[in-house]
Amino acid sequence: EADIYQTPRYLVIGTGKKITLECSQTMGHDKMYWYQQDPGMELHLIHYSYGVNSTEKGDLSSESTVSRIRTEHFPLTLESARPSHTSQYLCASSPGQGSFYGYTFGSGTRLTVV
Amino acid sequence: SQQGEEDPQALSIQEGENATMNCSYKTSINNLQWYRQNSGRGLVHLILIRSNEREKHSGRLRVTLDTSKKSSSLLITASRAADTASYFCATVDTGGGNKLTFGTGTQLKVEL
Repeated sequence: EADIYQTPRYLVIGTGKKITLECSQTMGHDKMYWYQQDPGMELHLIHYSYGVNSTEKGDLSSESTVSRIRTEHFPLTLESARPSHTSQYLCASSPGQGSFYGYTFGSGTRLTVV
Repeated sequence: SQQGEEDPQALSIQEGENATMNCSYKTSINNLQWYRQNSGRGLVHLILIRSNEREKHSGRLRVTLDTSKKSSSLLITASRAADTASYFCATVDTGGGNKLTFGTGTQLKVEL
């Protein structure tokens, strides 16, 4: 079954730790995205990729970094986590042809930095 | 940056009633999409309407788009308790690649 997977689902981690949030999709989509969402709030785009070896920063400034070495994999890394990074992180993907396709979202990673 | 606002912010109705949510946006768009989010989970794509379309239906959903007013509405007919969720509109700007910009969302509660 084609889908998009995010791990871990929940993560509680201490300040200063390095973390990587995983995102993988099995649909062969060229375009992938990371959004940040605080509880009850709108989503903000922090990173996106239109294909392998292509990554761009989104509208919301973020201290995280991303990589896209394989089509199906789009991990997000925080080198040194801080309490201000506490949020929900949502990964999504869409087909490469044009812009008239909806996104498929993962279930999200809820990150708490203590 | 925030594209627009949705109203109302929260809506509570009885099962069987219709729910209407409105979305306003600021830029010229390629298309507008509606998504549902259940209790902090991932979003589910509901429907997409192109900028040259005025109305679209999908099951119990009806979406309208008025590009002159930069607004859209989502109507859910004969609502069910399972429709309880947050609903977001999102736009793809003209010349904006395929990036989606989300609105503030409407929290819908459907009571038995």
